[in-house]
Amino acid sequence: NAGVTQTPKFQVLKTGQSMTLQCAQDMNHNSMYWYRQDPGMGLRLIYYSASEGTTDKGEVPNGYNVSRLNKREFSLRLESAAPSQTSVYFCASRERDGELFFGEGSRLTVL
Amino acid sequence: KNQVEQSPQSLIILEGKNCTLQCNYTVSPFSNLRWYKQDTGRGPVSLTIMTFSENTKSNGRYTATLDADTKQSSLHITASQLSDSASYICVVSAVRGSTLGRLYFGRGTQLTVWP
Repeated sequence: NAGVTQTPKFQVLKTGQSMTLQCAQDMNHNSMYWYRQDPGMGLRLIYYSASEGTTDKGEVPNGYNVSRLNKREFSLRLESAAPSQTSVYFCASRERDGELFFGEGSRLTVL
Repeated sequence: KNQVEQSPQSLIILEGKNCTLQCNYTVSPFSNLRWYKQDTGRGPVSLTIMTFSENTKSNGRYTATLDADTKQSSLHITASQLSDSASYICVVSAVRGSTLGRLYFGRGTQLTVWP
């Protein structure tokens, strides 16, 4: 049982380049989330999707866009990467007010 | 303002010793509180959930407590093992319907267990 799968696991970008982080869950959860984790800052919500067809901004959405492709998949796009977006990105999913299930993380470095 | 504060920020203990991690929150209205364990380089994994009516819940060597009146929770680890070295994150959920089940994260306590 895969749970939440994120790709890629590691990525190095140059300032101004674009990329998309992919996330898929096989637990039939309605809600999906993208977080970033920086040293000393904890996990901060970038965007979330409460259900298929809806997306909403979290606390740090600037510089990112998301797409809820279907119930399983939720992607995060950086249109023009900046060094401040160097971070570890986590995708998560859950059902109603249940437990969050996280992916293994995507480590992004922007030079 | 809804906030979750954890203490200490970091902690070093010797293998076999006990320790207690603290979580204070101001989230309202309260739905539940979860403790997550995050091993280095991995995603967080839920250890336990506390709802308003629960005072204590155990999961093996992990025991969580909740005082809903003072808005405090603790995670007690008994007879620590090297594998307990991780970051422990407190996450509080607000009641659905008011803030749509929004989650509030603490910054975590980094626990290191030395042999």
